[in-house]
Order: sequence, then structure tokens, then C-alpha cells
Amino acid sequence: GQQLNQSPQSMFIQEGEDVSMNCTSSSIFNTWLWYKQDPGEGPVLLIALYKAGELTSNGRLTAQFGITRKDSFLNISASIPSDVGIYFCAGLRGSQGNLIFGKGTKLSVKP
Amino acid sequence: EAQVTQNPRYLITVTGKKLTVTCSQNMNHEYMSWYRQDPGLGLRQIYYSMNVEVTDKGDVPEGYKVSRKEKRNFPLILESPSPNQTSLYFCASRLRQGYYEQYFGPGTRLTVT
Repeated sequence: GQQLNQSPQSMFIQEGEDVSMNCTSSSIFNTWLWYKQDPGEGPVLLIALYKAGELTSNGRLTAQFGITRKDSFLNISASIPSDVGIYFCAGLRGSQGNLIFGKGTKLSVKP
Repeated sequence: EAQVTQNPRYLITVTGKKLTVTCSQNMNHEYMSWYRQDPGLGLRQIYYSMNVEVTDKGDVPEGYKVSRKEKRNFPLILESPSPNQTSLYFCASRLRQGYYEQYFGPGTRLTVT
């Protein structure tokens, strides 16, 4: 079945640094979503992307829908301790509208 | 407040003892689904429902059942739980097909001994 490859698996960064993570697929997706999961909580939607090439920001977060429609990127600028968590990408799959999720990027931020 | 709720949040049970995890949403969403989250495997879809009385299998449906008798509720049933179903479970909902902004519940941590 379709797979989403999310990288990196984990990141350890210093507060104030910028962060980049990405998702790639061998298949085309029509929609990309980025979620953040805080420890002990359910994933929360951060950004939704609907058009190839689209660049969308949400505060310090910026996400892009790749031109090939097979990838997406998430950048976090000037990281802060509360950015800690697991970030998931998700792509829309099939006519039923099911989402397929990447395996997540675990972000740790040192104050 | 718009939300997806799940109960219980934590459950420890024994092999073979039937259990139900409830899920409810107050957003009048048509689409609901269940996921399990395991270390290194991310979120995998168990079952989904596109509307009342319409359910279908996701990627890992074995050992689970669901029902959708009302729009707001989508319970997950484990008829005979086994230790390999120990996991963190999430219910999720979204408005309908064509609207892809999906909202998750807080999770249910299930341990089967």
C-alpha cells in the first residue's frame, strides 16, 4: 500500500534554532496535513495544504506542498521548549478520503 | 466546546474479556475513524465510518469491531482482546468526505495482560 516516509525520526535541538522536517511518498497526494502530538494527548492539526506549491504559515510554523505532489515540508522557526512533541504528516489517500500518516518526527528542545 | 471525547482514558484488562471504548463528537461530523498508535509504527487506521450505518475496514481491522448507530458515537469493540492489542487508541472525526481537517480525541491507553 501507499507509504509515507517521514524524516528525520527524531531531532534534538537547542532553543532558538530552526527546525525542518519532511515527508515523501512514491504516490501523489491531493492534500497534506501536519499534526503535532503533545505527550499524553491526541494529535492536533497545525496546517492543511490543498494545492501543489502552496506555502502556508501558522505563527512560527511554515509548511509547503511540494510541486510534484509527492512531498511536503514543515519548518519551525526560533524553536521554544513548548515545541517539544511528535510531528506527523498525513496525506489524503483514495476516493474514500482516508488519511495515511507518516511515522512521526520526535522533537526535543533543550532550553 | 467542539471536541472528540473518548472513554475510558486508561484501561487494563485480561485476555479474552470483551471491552468497549466509546467515542463521541459534538461537531455533527459525518466521518469518524479509529487509529492505534504503536512505537515506531505511527498511526494506523483500524476502522472508519463515512456516516450512520456505514463502516469499513482500515489498515489493521483484525480483532476489532465498530458500530455507527448514531452520528455522534462510534464505539470500538474488542470481543476477545489479546496482548498484541495493547496500544494507544485514538478516535477522530471530520465534517465529511471532501473536508480533510481531522480532529482527534485524547486517546485511550489499553493494556491487555
